[in-house]
Amino acid sequence: DAKTTQPNSMESNEEEPVHLPCNHSTISGTDYIHWYRQLPSQGPEYVIHGLTSNVNNRMASLAIAEDRKSSTLILHRATLRDAAVYYCILRGFGGGADGLTFGKGTHLIIQP
Amino acid sequence: KAGVTQTPRYLIKTRGQQVTLSCSPISGHRSVSWYQQTPGQGLQFLFEYFSETQRNKGNFPGRFSGRQFSNSRSEMNVSTLELGDSALYLCASSSDGTSGRGGNEQFFGPGTRLTVL
Repeated sequence: DAKTTQPNSMESNEEEPVHLPCNHSTISGTDYIHWYRQLPSQGPEYVIHGLTSNVNNRMASLAIAEDRKSSTLILHRATLRDAAVYYCILRGFGGGADGLTFGKGTHLIIQP
Repeated sequence: KAGVTQTPRYLIKTRGQQVTLSCSPISGHRSVSWYQQTPGQGLQFLFEYFSETQRNKGNFPGRFSGRQFSNSRSEMNVSTLELGDSALYLCASSSDGTSGRGGNEQFFGPGTRLTVL
């Protein structure tokens, strides 16, 4: 699976929107863009995924650039419970021989 | 639906011993993957089982093994434990949908915290 680049950490205020960027310049045409998050002392939690079009679900929105070389996870109104490490992961159609490849992710800090 | 469950949640072993961890996937999910998480290496893929067969394998020594039963429950075993095996072991289940495995989300359990003394 292709690699992704994320900032090490980001800080935001409670009840404000958060935009978490991810660069994936070597993405292939069949790679899905997945986002997971891991809250302290818990297993990772699926957030959202997309292929080409922007996606929305109850947790977040995923904005995918037209050339698909970057994407942004949007938390519309951050709460303290959103403080977590967020991972952007590419996943090929066949799933990849190495499972989900987690990088270091972005440590999101939410200030009250 | 019940989520992914892992037992035990915490385990303490000594070097040289072996350990077996258990994972029950979400009902209807046939794919079970195992991951190791350590502060130094982060989250690393161990292996994936689907319909009782190992489908993918990560870069871990042969001391790490697993199996899957006909009801999709899975176990992983670590033999001859080393201090470096201390980690959080996570299990994730997934369904194989029509969008290909790349489009399927994985659902993680809470993990088993293994400490090797």
